[in-house]
Amino acid sequence: AQSVTQLDSHVSVSEGTPVLLRCNYSSSYSPSLFWYVQHPNKGLQLLLKYTSAATLVKGINGFEAEFKKSETSFHLTKPSAHMSDAAEYFCVVRHGSSNTGKLIFGQGTTLQVKP
Amino acid sequence: DTGVSQNPRHKITKRGQNVTFRCDPISEHNRLYWYRQTLGQGPEFLTYFQNEAQLEKSRLLSDRFSAERPKGSFSTLEIQRTEQGDSAMYLCASSLARTGNYGYTFGSGTRLTVV
Repeated sequence: AQSVTQLDSHVSVSEGTPVLLRCNYSSSYSPSLFWYVQHPNKGLQLLLKYTSAATLVKGINGFEAEFKKSETSFHLTKPSAHMSDAAEYFCVVRHGSSNTGKLIFGQGTTLQVKP
Repeated sequence: DTGVSQNPRHKITKRGQNVTFRCDPISEHNRLYWYRQTLGQGPEFLTYFQNEAQLEKSRLLSDRFSAERPKGSFSTLEIQRTEQGDSAMYLCASSLARTGNYGYTFGSGTRLTVV
């Protein structure tokens, strides 16, 4: 079975400091992994995706993530946090054993950015 | 297209009543998904359509839930005899089934409150 575990339910950083949101995955297949962001009262927005190409994936708004097979990790980073980054972040794996393409979400990490 | 549209945005209903939600996907997307997100959790897969065919349903989808996509375009999700445990955000997503394409677009969701 495939799953993702977000290791922190809440992360608090100061504006201008680096962001690290941690995610471990479990998959019997070569996984497709995503990070989504959800701002209050808004839809889920794709930040970036890994689909077995380059292991370092660059996304929108300065975010990037590195796929590490040996560590089964896909952590999300950003060099310098902005106030507008405060939101809920989800690590997601695409279900690989069927052809549905359904997504399996982690529990989410709330990112707080302090001025 | 302006993305995936969901209506209504909010719905408050009394326990035992029936409710119906609508999702209008991106027009060229042939895959449509319904997810449910409860407070503090990540979205969970409910069901999936490819064109008008409902190809997979989660065990979360009890007999009180039914979804349709009659012409392969918009979809409806109906909940009969609502219970307080049905209170959640119901999210719709669409994608285009194409090898190597993992682009999912989510709607802003319908928030259901059962009182």
